[in-house]
Amino acid sequence: DQQVKQNSPSLSVQEGRISILNCDYTNSMFDYFLWYKKYPAEGPTFLISISSIKDKNEDGRFTVFLNKSAKHLSLHIVPSQPGDSAVYFCAARPLNNNDMRFGAGTRLTVKP
Amino acid sequence: DVKVTQSSRYLVKRTGEKVFLECVQDMDHENMFWYRQDPGLGLRLIYFSYDVKMKEKGDIPEGYSVSREKKERFSLILESASTNQTSMYLCASRDFGYGYTFGSGTRLTVV
Repeated sequence: DQQVKQNSPSLSVQEGRISILNCDYTNSMFDYFLWYKKYPAEGPTFLISISSIKDKNEDGRFTVFLNKSAKHLSLHIVPSQPGDSAVYFCAARPLNNNDMRFGAGTRLTVKP
Repeated sequence: DVKVTQSSRYLVKRTGEKVFLECVQDMDHENMFWYRQDPGLGLRLIYFSYDVKMKEKGDIPEGYSVSREKKERFSLILESASTNQTSMYLCASRDFGYGYTFGSGTRLTVV
């Protein structure tokens, strides 16, 4: 039972355009959400996070939006760069709980 | 920066072998985790540990065990390796905050 879902396995965008990666979750107890980026043959690295008390968090070119009523979050990358090409994992965890749940990942390709 | 080191990047083992995957973190983190990554399934939690000698099952513990004798080291053990355990294995550690630090992963192939 996947509690965190990334329904798009891949996404291709042109350099300079916006990339939007989507994530849905089912567990209403999740209160903290993260995005990780993973290059081949490397471990995932933390990108950006948002707590459930916010609906937006911005860090440079990366913005995460949270819609709690829809149990949906998205990652916007503007402008997209070829170096952003990687697999992006959405993750979520409940308050005071040790285990984090990950989505299946979306492979982003940014074309020059 | 926290560093999480996995001892092997690539391993090839035979069916039935006992396999040890080692993970060491250098920041005195309480919590350590083992995940496996498979295409279309993302990262799935195998086991985690919140203290020395403590362990908790994740979503897919069958066929695996773990050992945490020292705070900095968390080992994943495949008691009798099978081909369906061919995967990328990722170790992570976490302090009291919410973010994880991952190791570079071990790609295990069981033949």
